[in-house]
Amino acid sequence: AQTVTQSQPEMSVQEAETVTLSCTYDTSESDYYLFWYKQPPSRQMILVIRQEAYKQQNATENRFSVNFQKAAKSFSLKISDSQLGDAAMYFCAYRSEILGNEKLTFGTGTRLTIIP
Amino acid sequence: DAGVTQSPTHLIKTRGQQVTLRCSPKSGHDTVSWYQQALGQGPQFIFQYYEEEERQRGNFPDRFSGHQFPNYSSELNVNALLLGDSALYLCASSSLGRKIYGYTFGSGTRLTVV
Repeated sequence: AQTVTQSQPEMSVQEAETVTLSCTYDTSESDYYLFWYKQPPSRQMILVIRQEAYKQQNATENRFSVNFQKAAKSFSLKISDSQLGDAAMYFCAYRSEILGNEKLTFGTGTRLTIIP
Repeated sequence: DAGVTQSPTHLIKTRGQQVTLRCSPKSGHDTVSWYQQALGQGPQFIFQYYEEEERQRGNFPDRFSGHQFPNYSSELNVNALLLGDSALYLCASSSLGRKIYGYTFGSGTRLTVV
């Protein structure tokens, strides 16, 4: 079974600065997908960024980028130019490539606070 | 284009009762998954429905059951409620076989068991 670990329960960053959230995972599979989701107080899970394991290039989405280290099973999220609207819970998630096993396995989350 | 709709948004039930939660998937999606998110935790996968069949199930007891209708909407039923069933229940829709970025979550139903 796959597991996802987020070792930082809480993080804070000054507005306009850069912050990195950590995520490690454990799997015996070679093909899979990794995600970062944001959950604001509205409770809805919002996809921030995704990474396919077969791609060596790190994914980027505007101010959000990842550092994907497949051998180390590490998948960190970097948020540049932090904004007040970035404040939320951030969850790292894993999804197998295997057909019939499409469930998402989530970490326990990191609460990000933006300091004005 | 409507996203995922869940109802009700909040619910209070007494221990031992039964509850039904509802989910309408995003337009164009045919697969519905349910997750339980306890306070301060990440979501845990309950089960997934596709073509009105339970396709995959997580580590939840048989008290948790579901259904998918021909219009792709879904229900989650929980029988003999326990205090530990208090949680946020999230529905996520997707389109099986399409690109992975197809997951869309609803805002959830907050269930409180007293």
